[in-house]
This record gives sequence, C-alpha cells and structure tokens, in this order.
Amino acid sequence: DAGVTQSPTHLIKTRGQHVTLRCSPISGHKSVSWYQQVLGQGPQFIFQYYEKEERGRGNFPDRFSARQFPNYSSELNVNALLLGDSALYLCASSPGTQETQYFGPGTRLLVL
Amino acid sequence: DQQVKQNSPSLSVQEGRISILNCDYTNSMFDYFLWYKKYPAEGPTFLISISSIKDKNEDGRFTVFLNKSAKHLSLHIVPSQPGDSAVYFCAASPRSGGSNYKLTFGKGTLLTVNP
Repeated sequence: DAGVTQSPTHLIKTRGQHVTLRCSPISGHKSVSWYQQVLGQGPQFIFQYYEKEERGRGNFPDRFSARQFPNYSSELNVNALLLGDSALYLCASSPGTQETQYFGPGTRLLVL
Repeated sequence: DQQVKQNSPSLSVQEGRISILNCDYTNSMFDYFLWYKKYPAEGPTFLISISSIKDKNEDGRFTVFLNKSAKHLSLHIVPSQPGDSAVYFCAASPRSGGSNYKLTFGKGTLLTVNP
C-alpha cells in the first residue's frame, strides 16, 4: 500500500511569493496534519484537518492556511513568504484524529 | 517553552549493545507518547507508542518505558544494529479531551550505532 505522498519534493521561492504544497494521505485515512521542521528542531504542528474541517491550529500566522478535499487530500498554502519560512514541510495522515500519525517524505522549501 | 525535551543531541553505541534514548515532558495534559525515527531526506517513521495508562510497551527490539511521576520516558533498543543509526524524535499529545491531537516533538537525538 502507498504511504503518504507529498509534492513537490523540493521548491525554491523568493520573498513575498506564494506557495502551495500538496499531500495525499494513506488510503482510508481521513485526517491530515501539517508540520514545519526547521533545521535542528523537531517538527512543529501547523494544522490538523478531519473530514474537510479544521480540527486544530498551531501557533502560526494567518499567512498559513490549508484545506482538505473530499478525497481527503490536502493543500497547505503560505502567502507572503519570508526567509524564515524555509523549512521541511511534513504531512501526516491518520485514520481519525486520535490514531497514530504516519508521515510523508516532506517538501523542502527554500525561500531566497 | 519546550514542553518535550530530549537533552542528548547525540548518542553513540556499539553494535549489539543497548541504546537508551531519553525524553522529558512538562505538560501534565500529555497522555499519549510516541517515538519516531528519521533518516536524512525522509519523513519520520513511526516506531512505537505508549498510553499513560501503561508504564511499558514492547515491540520486538524496541521497548518504551513511561514514568508518569517523573514525566520521563525512554526508548530502549536491544540489540542495536547499524541500520538503527538515525535521528530519534520523542512526541507527545493530549489524546483525551478536546479535538486537538497535535503532536509536540522534542528536538531529536542522533543515534549512531558503530559496527
């Protein structure tokens, strides 16, 4: 069975631009969570979606938004990119909101 | 304020010996704990978890111990193998009450298993 997939794998943007990252969960999983991992730190929670509704939001500015589609895939959008947004963005899926989360390979974003 | 702390940035052990990775937490609301392993250029891979109603959970070579009074958990790997060399993350969540089951991660410990 396919695991969590994310696209693109790498991305280079300049300050002020907008970026959209995509995630497809494991088949049968209805919950998707997004995390940001900067170098030397553990992943930091951004959002959790379940059945297309936002169930949790971390301490990130409104420049960060996300949505979940009827097929349970998800997009993370970041507007007005800053240099500090450079990080590995991880998507995780789980059957529901309480079960173990399984991570994708991540999208590495570099903002110049 | 770090709610999940992994105070050892790195650990080196010999193949066949035991690896012990430690994790401390401060938030009393945390009641579900997980360990993930991460190789470079890959996402974290789930290893093992433990609920606060238990003090030990075992899966093959991996055992997690939870000491709730000390707010401390540890991951034991026996015997250690070179393929275990990776960054290990401790994570915690308030699984009960409310709908926010976000994971809070430590900074990770780099384990190197020498042949």
